[in-house]
Amino acid sequence: KAGVTQTPRYLIKTRGQQVTLSCSPISGHRSVSWYQQTPGQGLQFLFEYFSETQRNKGNFPGRFSGRQFSNSRSEMNVSTLELGDSALYLCASTVGRNTGELFFGEGSRLTVL
Amino acid sequence: AQSVTQLGSHVSVSEGALVLLRCNYSSSVPPYLFWYVQYPNQGLQLLLKYTSAATLVKGINGFEAEFKKSETSFHLTKPSAHMSDAAEYFCAVSDVNSGYALNFGKGTSLLVTP
Repeated sequence: KAGVTQTPRYLIKTRGQQVTLSCSPISGHRSVSWYQQTPGQGLQFLFEYFSETQRNKGNFPGRFSGRQFSNSRSEMNVSTLELGDSALYLCASTVGRNTGELFFGEGSRLTVL
Repeated sequence: AQSVTQLGSHVSVSEGALVLLRCNYSSSVPPYLFWYVQYPNQGLQLLLKYTSAATLVKGINGFEAEFKKSETSFHLTKPSAHMSDAAEYFCAVSDVNSGYALNFGKGTSLLVTP
């Protein structure tokens, strides 16, 4: 069974640009969550999607958005990139009700110059 | 609001020695508690979880943790460290008030020396 797949694995952007990251969950998993990992702030929850609906949201500015498609695949978008957005963005999936037992992808490492 | 504190950002043990990684939590409602491990350049992998059943939880790779409500602790242990255990370990809490989003500690880097 394939794990959570995130693309791209690495990317470099400049300030002011926008970026879209993609996540394919484990087959049969309907909940997708996104986390940001930085050396300073650690792991922080961005949002969770279930059946194409945002079910939960962390404390991030509106520049961070996401969506989920009917096949459970998810994308997150960051607009007007800032240097501080440089981070590892981790996607995680679970079957249904999210209790914290998540299966994580390897992440997309974003560098903003 | 819930929170997690991991005592010791770096822990070093000898191969074969006991591993003890400390985690204390706060939550105003019954929590779910987790330990995740992250190897370099990889995502997180669930080691074990506490979800209000047995207080002593056994996980993968010989790790276990004990939920102690009176001490608000969920320390991770392994009787005998292996070189392959070197990694970053994260304790996390979730509960109904957070919509079950994981709130992670800052992590503990485990170094295993020969």
